[in-house]
Amino acid sequence: QVQLQESGPGLVRPSETLSLTCTVSGGSISSYYWSWIRQPPGKGLEWIGYISYSGSTNYNPSLKSRVTISVDTSKNQFSLKLNSVTAADTAVYYCARGGGNSGLIDYWGQGTLVTVSS
Amino acid sequence: AIRMTQSPSSFFASTGDRVTITCRASQGISSYLAWYQQKPGKAPKLLIYAASTLQSGVPSRFSGSGSGTDFTLTISCLQSEDFATYYCQQYYSYPLTFGGGTKVEIK
Repeated sequence: QVQLQESGPGLVRPSETLSLTCTVSGGSISSYYWSWIRQPPGKGLEWIGYISYSGSTNYNPSLKSRVTISVDTSKNQFSLKLNSVTAADTAVYYCARGGGNSGLIDYWGQGTLVTVSS
Repeated sequence: AIRMTQSPSSFFASTGDRVTITCRASQGISSYLAWYQQKPGKAPKLLIYAASTLQSGVPSRFSGSGSGTDFTLTISCLQSEDFATYYCQQYYSYPLTFGGGTKVEIK
């Protein structure tokens, strides 16, 4: 069974860069697409973007100018960078499997809360 | 972006009730519709995909229907573990979008 685990700082200062990594276990990162999704406290879900094992990406236009998703197949990991953060970026960030030709999200990490505050 | 609208946003129900949640897409999405269940502090869990296909391991009391713009999630006999928030999601086109959620609360 595929498992995903997010890691990274829980607190980021305004205007700085949010960086998270997702480690995939129980299966290879190859042959699938991988997404980041976030959920502000008490609110709904927002898809951020996806990356393929080969490195092709697709980002939500609402965040595209600030987002970079990358993949490291040798470590079975993919990463998220979101720059110029504000308090509005405070959310639980989930990594998940899905994207590409099928946008169905079938496996999710447990999520990690990132707070943007000085 | 395709807008997904769920109704109601919340409601109260009792164990054993039959409950229905609706989801409407702002444009046709064929059957590219998934339903997720989320409990407090947990990640969403995939229940149904392709509008009506039950994910492996999901109890048969859950069912989905619809195509085009209008979809429903039905729980035939509500159990205590079903009190949660439910989200629909379209995967017809990018960006992927979710409904605002429906919280099912204990009456």
